[in-house]
Amino acid sequence: EVHLLESGGGLVQPGGSLRLSCAASGFTFNSYAMSWVRQAPGQGLEWVSVISGSGGSTDYADSVKGRFTISRDNSKNTLFLQMKSLRAEDTAVFYCAKGGIGGVYDYWGQGTLVTVSS
Amino acid sequence: SSELTQDPTVSVALGQTVRITCQGDSLRSYSASWYQQKPGQAPVNVIYDKNNRPSGIPDRFSGSNSGNTASLTITGAQAEDEADYYCNSRDSSGDHVVFGGGTKLTVL
Repeated sequence: EVHLLESGGGLVQPGGSLRLSCAASGFTFNSYAMSWVRQAPGQGLEWVSVISGSGGSTDYADSVKGRFTISRDNSKNTLFLQMKSLRAEDTAVFYCAKGGIGGVYDYWGQGTLVTVSS
Repeated sequence: SSELTQDPTVSVALGQTVRITCQGDSLRSYSASWYQQKPGQAPVNVIYDKNNRPSGIPDRFSGSNSGNTASLTITGAQAEDEADYYCNSRDSSGDHVVFGGGTKLTVL
């Protein structure tokens, strides 16, 4: 059974940094692209970033480009999102999702809440 | 603003059929997928690549596409179908993923 478990969320001040993790199990992790999708409180879903199965290709939404870095450790079946220069508008539940640039996400984690506030 | 447009709210009587639509120029080139999200829960994929249902999704859910519009149809809506529904696809450049703004479905 596929399982995705995010961690690392919390309260951070504007301008601060945070690193999210997503532990994956139940599938051959390095064979699949992975993505991060976020949802601001009471708002819709927003695609954030994608990484290929090998980790060699990445892409970002314009809203986070230059501030967020997606990476993965295939030896530990773990996906990461390093976030810096955080802004109030980055406040959201961040989900990791199995799937790539085609936008078909067949499995999602339960999400981790990031709150950017002073 | 989203490149995919959805009606914010839709309602349907119990047992009736409802269609939720998603409009965007990129849908002329790329397939849409649909996600159901209930309060406090992660989204669940209900339709992928226009009209494919993942395992475990009831066959009352179906998808279609015509021109710049993708549709999710629920035939015989049930109370448990009350949720937010999101479409997604690639954006016009094909490089990024974009979500529609979401449709809140109420089952009366």
